[in-house]
Amino acid sequence: GAVVSQHPSWVICKSGTSVKIECRSLDFQATTMFWYRQFPKQSLMLMATSNEGSKATYEQGVEKDKFLINHASLTLSTLTVTSAHPEDSSFYICSARPTDRGYDIQYFGAGTRLSVL
Amino acid sequence: GESVGLHLPTLSVQEGDNSIINCAYSNSASDYFIWYKQESGKGPQFIIDIRSNMDKRQGQRVTVLLNKTVKHLSLQIAATQPGDSAVYFCAENGGGGNKLTFGTGTQLKVEL
Repeated sequence: GAVVSQHPSWVICKSGTSVKIECRSLDFQATTMFWYRQFPKQSLMLMATSNEGSKATYEQGVEKDKFLINHASLTLSTLTVTSAHPEDSSFYICSARPTDRGYDIQYFGAGTRLSVL
Repeated sequence: GESVGLHLPTLSVQEGDNSIINCAYSNSASDYFIWYKQESGKGPQFIIDIRSNMDKRQGQRVTVLLNKTVKHLSLQIAATQPGDSAVYFCAENGGGGNKLTFGTGTQLKVEL
């Protein structure tokens, strides 16, 4: 149980294009999902908290117009990197918090490696 | 040009030995803690968790110890195996908003 699927696992795109990453909780509902960014040999950096049916909450320094988040259902959140540039190349990871748990556990997707040429 | 990156703390152990990975947390308001294992190129995998009303919790081959007095968390892995090689992160929930704050991570290397 508690499986989170993230797609795609790897994407290469040209500078200036947009890329959409999907995060799905397969066997549980998640009112809250999270999007992280991770640089090599570093810890996870929280970008934003995605709440079903409402606007995402972005961490300080994260451009909400560049990283668009949509959480339209209890099992799906999407992150769209708009007008991607080489500096956006990174490993993006989503997580989901089961709605029916009384504590803050998060289950993670496998991550998406984004390379912007 | 050559890039310089951060270096994760590394723990090297012999196969079959016990491993102890430590984590210091900073937020006194944290009441829930998790250990995650992250293999190269993959997302973090849940290992074990503990709430602040406990000081020890055991799983299969793993034990988490919590010392709230000094804000210290440790993960003990018994009979370490090559498959345990990964980066281990501790996480705490003291930031509010259901968020988790992650530690810097420890690279565990298991030598045959």
